[in-house]
Amino acid sequence: GDSVTQMEGPVTLSEEAFLTINCTYTATGYPSLFWYVQYPGEGLQLLLKATKADDKGSNKGFEATYRKETTSFHLEKGSVQVSDSAVYFCALSEGVGNTGKLIFGQGTTLQVKP
Amino acid sequence: DAGVIQSPRHEVTEMGQEVTLRCKPISGHDYLFWYRQTMMRGLELLIYFNNNVPIDDSGMPEDRFSAKMPNASFSTLKIQPSEPRDSAVYFCASSPGTSADTQYFGPGTRLTVL
Repeated sequence: GDSVTQMEGPVTLSEEAFLTINCTYTATGYPSLFWYVQYPGEGLQLLLKATKADDKGSNKGFEATYRKETTSFHLEKGSVQVSDSAVYFCALSEGVGNTGKLIFGQGTTLQVKP
Repeated sequence: DAGVIQSPRHEVTEMGQEVTLRCKPISGHDYLFWYRQTMMRGLELLIYFNNNVPIDDSGMPEDRFSAKMPNASFSTLKIQPSEPRDSAVYFCASSPGTSADTQYFGPGTRLTVL
């Protein structure tokens, strides 16, 4: 079945460092891809998404490009801040059947130190 | 819009007691999802509804768990009897419904079963 694999955390960076969190997927059909972020004590919220191959999603300085050839959707940010410390989840939608159901990766914890 | 509303935000109960978690989705959303999050198992989809009808409950751990959606603006997740291993954060999310659509998460209910 469909699945998402993220790099294991925690990822610890200094402020202003470059961030990459790897995400690869296995899917049938043509899924949409998502990055969600969860700040401490809160629910998940959408960070960015891409709905077709070669689309780039971006928000708050974060970017990810839908790469069909490598089945990847890596999250990047050029300069992280302490306020970016959170858990990041990669997810894909079930393209077959258009169910609206999301398949989530296990989450990657990011810690940014001043 | 107020977003997805969950109640209570925190629940502490004793083993064997019945627990009911409540969710009000965003108006106009056709899909409603119940998730459970723990350190050990991460984020798990328990059940989801489309237009108030349960579509997939394969994630419900056992018969002690049940979920209902009597109308488009209200859903409940019930655990009876509760056990310490049910301690987790339970999230409700809603979505307009297509595979490209974002799921909007509530703030969660932190359940502790003593």
